[in-house]
Amino acid sequence: NAGVMQNPRHLVRRRGQEARLRCSPMKGHSHVYWYRQLPEEGLKFMVYLQKENIIDESGMPKERFSAEFPKEGPSILRIQQVVRGDSAAYFCASSPNGGAPWEQYFGPGTRLTVT
Amino acid sequence: ELKVEQNPLFLSMQEGKNYTIYCNYSTTSDRLYWYRQDPGKSLESLFVLLSNGAVKQEGRLMASLDTKARLSTLHITAAVHDLSATYFCAVDELRSGSRLTFGEGTQLTVNP
Repeated sequence: NAGVMQNPRHLVRRRGQEARLRCSPMKGHSHVYWYRQLPEEGLKFMVYLQKENIIDESGMPKERFSAEFPKEGPSILRIQQVVRGDSAAYFCASSPNGGAPWEQYFGPGTRLTVT
Repeated sequence: ELKVEQNPLFLSMQEGKNYTIYCNYSTTSDRLYWYRQDPGKSLESLFVLLSNGAVKQEGRLMASLDTKARLSTLHITAAVHDLSATYFCAVDELRSGSRLTFGEGTQLTVNP
């Protein structure tokens, strides 16, 4: 049973470009969480999605960031017009249901560098 | 807004010594989690504490939770170099839909 998969693992973008980060949850998991980790900091919640629904996006910056989790395929975190401050590690976690954080399994992360 | 504070943020210790990392949080919760992160890696779940007074041990690490004091501790016994990593605590705010709020992390270095 494969774990949570994220790709790419490393992504370099120039300022103003778009970044697309993908997260494939574990088999049987229909809930996905995205977290951002700035250098030398803890993880910060961004968004919580179920298939085709955004449940909680209270941690998402108001502009340039969006997330989706379609019926088929991975969850996508999209950052438009990236800036240097977006450089961070982005982790997703998946769980089989939304009420059990101890069942959240983290992916390996995507390290985004904006030059 | 829920705040989770760890202390110390940096800890350098010698092999064989004991030490404790503290995690304080600002809201009512009885669910707390400890994770380990190695440089450039993802988070590894260490302990899940789901009630007041919960105590869990794995090898040289022991975690406890006091929900009245809103405090969790991660105690390291007879540290070894392999324990060098960053340790995070995280709290699950009961009405949050199970999102986790993380502390800043404690960067532990165990020196021979």
